[in-house]
Amino acid sequence: DIVMTQTPLSLSVTPGQPASISCKSSQSLLHSDGKTYLYWYLQKPGQSPQLLIYEVSSRFSGVPDRFSGSGSGTDFTLKISRVEAEDVGVYYCMQGIHLPDTFGGGTKVEIK
Amino acid sequence: QVQLQESGPGLVKPSETLSLTCAVSGYSISSGYYWGWIRQPPGKGLEWIGSIYHSGSTYYNPSLKSRVTISVDTSKNQFSLKLSSVTAADTAVYYCARRPYGDPPSGYFDYWGQGTLVTVSS
Repeated sequence: DIVMTQTPLSLSVTPGQPASISCKSSQSLLHSDGKTYLYWYLQKPGQSPQLLIYEVSSRFSGVPDRFSGSGSGTDFTLKISRVEAEDVGVYYCMQGIHLPDTFGGGTKVEIK
Repeated sequence: QVQLQESGPGLVKPSETLSLTCAVSGYSISSGYYWGWIRQPPGKGLEWIGSIYHSGSTYYNPSLKSRVTISVDTSKNQFSLKLSSVTAADTAVYYCARRPYGDPPSGYFDYWGQGTLVTVSS
């Protein structure tokens, strides 16, 4: 199975400040079709996960542009340009290039 | 608006079979897409269980494959999960979700149910 490793485990951020989360995969997520199958989700407290980013850097419908994704191969980053109170929760990366789909362990973001 | 709703017993005895159903509204399963199950033990991370296409083709997590069956009922616009021989380790919130494609490489999950907690205990 592909292992997804997220750092840090937790972040405490002042509103309006940026935040960055790293996700590293044990194998390249670049497929021969040219796409990279890396996704980011946010699970707000008491809710189900919601899709933020697909294929490394494409924002899902309705996702604010303060969220951005970057990276390639095995190293990926989710950035929040200016954290807002509604951004608290646990962020997960997920790979879809090889079965079984696997998720990172999660990064908890809270507000200072 | 696509909506998914899980239903089923919240308590299952050890060694018995966990059975859950996901009712889909706002979209016809027969129209396409893959449909999946993901679980989350209390306070822990996410684990993909398996996915099914409307035709019935399935993909399962190898770690659970011997105990998992996912099926689809297009007439009722729902799909189901059965997990046999459960133990306390299967206690989790179970989510159903939709994904645009599921043949490896697999797509993202764009719509999720609210999740249902299943506790395995005697």
